Amino acid sequence: GEDVEQSLFLSVREGDSSVINCTYTDSSSTYLYWYKQEPGAGLQLLTYIFSNMDMKQDQRLTVLLNKKDKHLSLRIADTQTGDSAIYFCAESPGFQKLVFGTGTRLLVSP
Amino acid sequence: EAQVTQNPRYLITVTGKKLTVTCSQNMNHEYMSWYRQDPGLGLRQIYYSMNVEVTDKGDVPEGYKVSRKEKRNFPLILESPSPNQTSLYFCASSFWGKGSTDTQYFGPGTRLTVL
Repeated sequence: GEDVEQSLFLSVREGDSSVINCTYTDSSSTYLYWYKQEPGAGLQLLTYIFSNMDMKQDQRLTVLLNKKDKHLSLRIADTQTGDSAIYFCAESPGFQKLVFGTGTRLLVSP
Repeated sequence: EAQVTQNPRYLITVTGKKLTVTCSQNMNHEYMSWYRQDPGLGLRQIYYSMNVEVTDKGDVPEGYKVSRKEKRNFPLILESPSPNQTSLYFCASSFWGKGSTDTQYFGPGTRLTVL
């Protein structure tokens, strides 16, 4: 079945890089996503990667995909306190279907 | 402003008292969906709708009903709420199409407590 796993918590200092990891099970997923949830808010799409890509960079965000190991990571460079949030990895095993991970709570301390 | 709205944002109710959580989007999206978020479980899909009068079960549909009479609205109905339905609920919408451009837009969430 479909399963997406993430570590629950990550703590970094402001200015450091953050790396949030995710493993997924469905190799047929065409796209893999990272969503951000700020306190009291809904989920916001942060970035996504097409399954035939290895890497995607978007300003401070770098997504790495290891399709062989079904491993996805999100790197945030120069992490700021405003980056504190819960980050969800999601795979898309079917049309319009999203399977979310448990979420990683990122805490950025000054 | 393009958005998905949900009402109410917070609700405390008692077991067995029917309730409806409304969801509305102003982006003319065909696809709408309901999720529940629970600690340690991430988001799980309850029901989804591909267009007006077309709905289908997600991964955790038990105890819930939905309807899609109009394109913009997708209410979630709990006929007889139970404490295990205490959760944070999100509505989402997107265009019905292929690929990542069909981003799902999420509402702000409804925190439901069933006593």
